[in-house]
Amino acid sequence: GDSVTQMEGPVTLSEEAFLTINCTYTATGYPSLFWYVQYPGEGLQLLLKATKADDKGSNKGFEATYRKETTSFHLEKGSVQVSDSAVYFCALSDPNDMRFGAGTRLTVKP
Amino acid sequence: EPEVTQTPSHQVTQMGQEVILRCVPISNHLYFYWYRQILGQKVEFLVSFYNNEISEKSEIFDDQFSVERPDGSNFTLKIRSTKLEDSAMYFCASGEFSPYNEQFFGPGTRLTVL
Repeated sequence: GDSVTQMEGPVTLSEEAFLTINCTYTATGYPSLFWYVQYPGEGLQLLLKATKADDKGSNKGFEATYRKETTSFHLEKGSVQVSDSAVYFCALSDPNDMRFGAGTRLTVKP
Repeated sequence: EPEVTQTPSHQVTQMGQEVILRCVPISNHLYFYWYRQILGQKVEFLVSFYNNEISEKSEIFDDQFSVERPDGSNFTLKIRSTKLEDSAMYFCASGEFSPYNEQFFGPGTRLTVL
């Protein structure tokens, strides 16, 4: 079935460093792709999404491009802040449910 | 801004007891979901619900689990006889359009089975 594979964490960066979290997917159809973020003690919040190939989702300085040829949806941010420390989940939507990656914990140090 | 709400925020129960987790989805949404996240692990799909019936369920969603939309606003998850391994964070989500669009998640209910 459809699935999502994320790079394993944890990832620790200094403030203002460049962030990449890799995400690849396997799907039989044409899913929508999402990045969700989970701050400590909170639920899941949608960070960005892309619904078709070559779409770029962006929000709060984060970006990800839906690449059909490489089946990828890597998350990037040019300059991370301490407040970006959280767990990031890549996800794809099936016809009836959403499949999540394992999550990548990001810690940003001042 | 409309949001998904869940009650209680934390539920502690004894093994073998029944629990009902409650969710109020966003009012104009048509698709409803339950997920769980065992501490430190990935978010796992349990069940989706549309048009007053289950659309899909995972292998986790066995006969101990059931869902209901008892009125126009609530969406509940019942675990009939809880086991220790049911301890997890349970997230409700809802979506306005097809499942290909984003789902909005509630803050979760932490279930602890003793």
